[in-house]
Formats: sequence, C-alpha cells, structure tokens
Amino acid sequence: DAMVIQNPRYQVTQFGKPVTLSCSQTLNHNVMYWYQQKSSQAPKLLFHYYDKDFNNEADTPDNFQSRRPNTSFCFLDIRSPGLGDAAMYLCATSRDRVGEERETQYFGPGTRLLVL
Amino acid sequence: AQSVTQLGSHVSVSEGALVLLRCNYSSSVPPYLFWYVQYPNQGLQLLLKYTSAATLVKGINGFEAEFKKSETSFHLTKPSAHMSDAAEYFCAVKKTSYDKVIFGPGTSLSVIP
Repeated sequence: DAMVIQNPRYQVTQFGKPVTLSCSQTLNHNVMYWYQQKSSQAPKLLFHYYDKDFNNEADTPDNFQSRRPNTSFCFLDIRSPGLGDAAMYLCATSRDRVGEERETQYFGPGTRLLVL
Repeated sequence: AQSVTQLGSHVSVSEGALVLLRCNYSSSVPPYLFWYVQYPNQGLQLLLKYTSAATLVKGINGFEAEFKKSETSFHLTKPSAHMSDAAEYFCAVKKTSYDKVIFGPGTSLSVIP
C-alpha cells in the first residue's frame, strides 16, 4: 500500500544533541510537510516543501531545519534540542498540480521525540 | 485570518449513543473543511472533507458532517458510538485549495461501555 513512513517511531535525545527525524513516502506526492504536535494540542506547521522549494513558517525557530534530497524522502533536523522541543513530529504529503486543487494531506504515524 | 473552534475539549458518550462533535469556523467565504481523527500515538487520518459540493458529507467509519453556512458550522456526527471511536478529533479549515491547513484545538472522545 502507498503510504507515509516515519522512522523512528520513538526517539530519545539529550539536551543540545542534534537529532534527525526521517520521513519517506510511496505516494509520489510533490508536497511534503512537517508538523510539531505537543501534548493535547493541535498540530503546528513548521515548514513544507513544494517540490524542491522550501517554505518556512514565520514562527518556526531557526533550530529547526529540513532537507529533501529527493521526492520520496524528507528529513527534519533539530540542531540543538531543548526540553521544549519534546513533542510528536508528524510528516504529511499531498499532491499539487498546476490548475488542479491541492489534494488532501496524508499523514505518517509520527515520531515522538523525548529530550533528556 | 482563518480560525477554527471546537466546543468541548473532552466529550464522553455511552457505547451505542449518538456522537456529536462541534466545529465552528471563521471565514468570509465558504472554506475547505476537514475532520481528522488521531488515535493514541498515531498520525492523523482523514475522516471526511467538504469542498463546496454536497453540504452533507459522508466519511469513513460511519461518520458524517453537515456544512451550515448560516451557522458557520461543520459538526461531526455518528449515530451509534463504538468503543473503537475513542480518539482525538480535529476539525480543520483552509480558505483556498492552496492555503495551509488550520487545525482546531481538538476534541477528545471517550466511549463508555
């Protein structure tokens, strides 16, 4: 089945130690998103890629970076995790074609990050 | 700016009872509206979406929602709750197809046996 995959499902890191979360998709969607979701809160969009074009949300901290080496993969890098960065990180994809409606987002299962 | 409110952060229903989760949006034009469900430690799954076609939208797992422009509402209902419906439910909106999705704060649904 076509899907959005996130690895690992649980990640433990130390305060200030860089960490990378990964997302891959078999849907061949051209748009990929990263959301941060803290406990009992709605997902918050960090940034998204439209094809290779990176679009950062205005309030996303500089501590968060992203890479998209190809259509299928997207990475979230947290350069110096703080205790406040402990959250669920959700990857999502959608298909967007010129002249057509941007389709629904499909979400991966998420990676829960714990910062010690 | 788009916004979404969900009345009731926690809703409890008995198994077999009607499920009603409320969602109101602020928008000057009919937006795109969505309901997502999130089970514990899982990603979000689309239940249904409204995109200016029929005002009554049927989704997966027996859920449906009705778009009421006069009330700026998009409430989610299910006639008979199952234990497996216990989850977090998010209403979401976007003004146009190309805008980012704005999520509501979520409603946690508990189903009592």
